[in-house]
Amino acid sequence: GENVEQHPSTLSVQEGDSAVIKCTYSDSASNYFPWYKQELGKGPQLIIDIRSNVGEKKDQRIAVTLNKTAKHFSLHITETQPEDSAVYFCAATPNTGFQKLVFGTGTRLLVSP
Amino acid sequence: GAVVSQHPSRVICKSGTSVKIECRSLDFQATTMFWYRQFPKQSLMLMATSNEGSKATYEQGVEKDKFLINHASLTLSTLTVTSAHPEDSSFYICSARDLQLAGGTGELFFGEGSRLTVL
Repeated sequence: GENVEQHPSTLSVQEGDSAVIKCTYSDSASNYFPWYKQELGKGPQLIIDIRSNVGEKKDQRIAVTLNKTAKHFSLHITETQPEDSAVYFCAATPNTGFQKLVFGTGTRLLVSP
Repeated sequence: GAVVSQHPSRVICKSGTSVKIECRSLDFQATTMFWYRQFPKQSLMLMATSNEGSKATYEQGVEKDKFLINHASLTLSTLTVTSAHPEDSSFYICSARDLQLAGGTGELFFGEGSRLTVL
């Protein structure tokens, strides 16, 4: 089955710096790659997603890139702010129905003022 | 975006009792909902897929007799942890897909989670 690896497990940056989180997946049939932000004690919230027919997608300070050949995708956050501090999860779905999601292990991002 | 609501947000119970957690899609219908479990500082692990009007599909290693799932309507799925033990203490999160969004592919929305503590 699908396996998603995520790095780094923790990331500390200064406010204003950029943050990059990387994920790799194993199933070449996966075609949908969402990123979720989870704050303490809350459920995950979708922040951006990308489908396999697109190489890059951007939404204000957040961007995601996808390299299907290498089977990896990355989350880029620019001009980080303290409120960006949270745990970020990448995920992949191994079937065309966008049904099951396989999550990465999470990255704890800390943005210091 | 669509809203998925879970209740209760926190529950404490004694070992051996059963606990029911509700997951509701508030402004859309969901024929399929998903139940995840998350241990502290770990990722979300899919437990089962809840199908409206039919039996749930459980992931490998998840005991269906222990984690009872009922999806009686298009807006409600329930997870019942039966004969709970301390090792069942975890954060349980449901999600649902609004097929009216994203061109029919359906963005997945998560509930706020339910923290279960078994004494």
